[in-house]
Amino acid sequence: ETGVTQTPRHLVMGMTNKKSLKCEQHLGHNAMYWYKQSAKKPLELMFVYNFKEQTENNSVPSRFSPECPNSSHLFLHLHTLQPEDSALYLCASSQPNSGNTIYFGEGSWLTVV
Amino acid sequence: TQLLEQSPQFLSIQEGENLTVYCNSSSVFSSLQWYRQEPGEGPVLLVTVVTGGEVKKLKRLTFQFGDARKDSSLHITAAQPGDTGLYLCASGSSNTGKLIFGQGTTLQVKP
Repeated sequence: ETGVTQTPRHLVMGMTNKKSLKCEQHLGHNAMYWYKQSAKKPLELMFVYNFKEQTENNSVPSRFSPECPNSSHLFLHLHTLQPEDSALYLCASSQPNSGNTIYFGEGSWLTVV
Repeated sequence: TQLLEQSPQFLSIQEGENLTVYCNSSSVFSSLQWYRQEPGEGPVLLVTVVTGGEVKKLKRLTFQFGDARKDSSLHITAAQPGDTGLYLCASGSSNTGKLIFGQGTTLQVKP
């Protein structure tokens, strides 16, 4: 238990569906992140939020839409995805500029059919 | 853009054997983190190395940072089945979460 909880753990969706991934952290951190982990590829940073403000968008396609309503919650809204978007999506959090560790959630396995 | 290359990509050994995995870059690392990811879980930080030539030990795991800070190694002594997992090196700032990851080394330790 790292203090970062992701739901759902597994999601299968069609290419025309709209779904959302949810992340909640109970660590009092002010930075949250979305990473993508695909087979045979390195972990890729997608988005960074600091104090609820998006500070990094790593050239992610607009079919992925993040939302950070407060420092404890982060969403990734999914719409018209492609099969190649199937991957493990990892949420993480940390306390900015304090030297603390970045903590990952257990991930949401997404399959696009 | 800094790229991290890990080798080997896959390693299958018997319990009790020793092993070393490597992480290399063409650029100098500002700092380097090693993570372990078990099946069905997210990566967990093992260690951060910052100084060239630094050696850190975590029980049976020994982490070494190259003098030129362009390479690092992880040595496991007397591997156990519980060491099975994906070992990832990453560079960047753990303060900001802007980490670049290597592809990882998948380790399987057979009883």
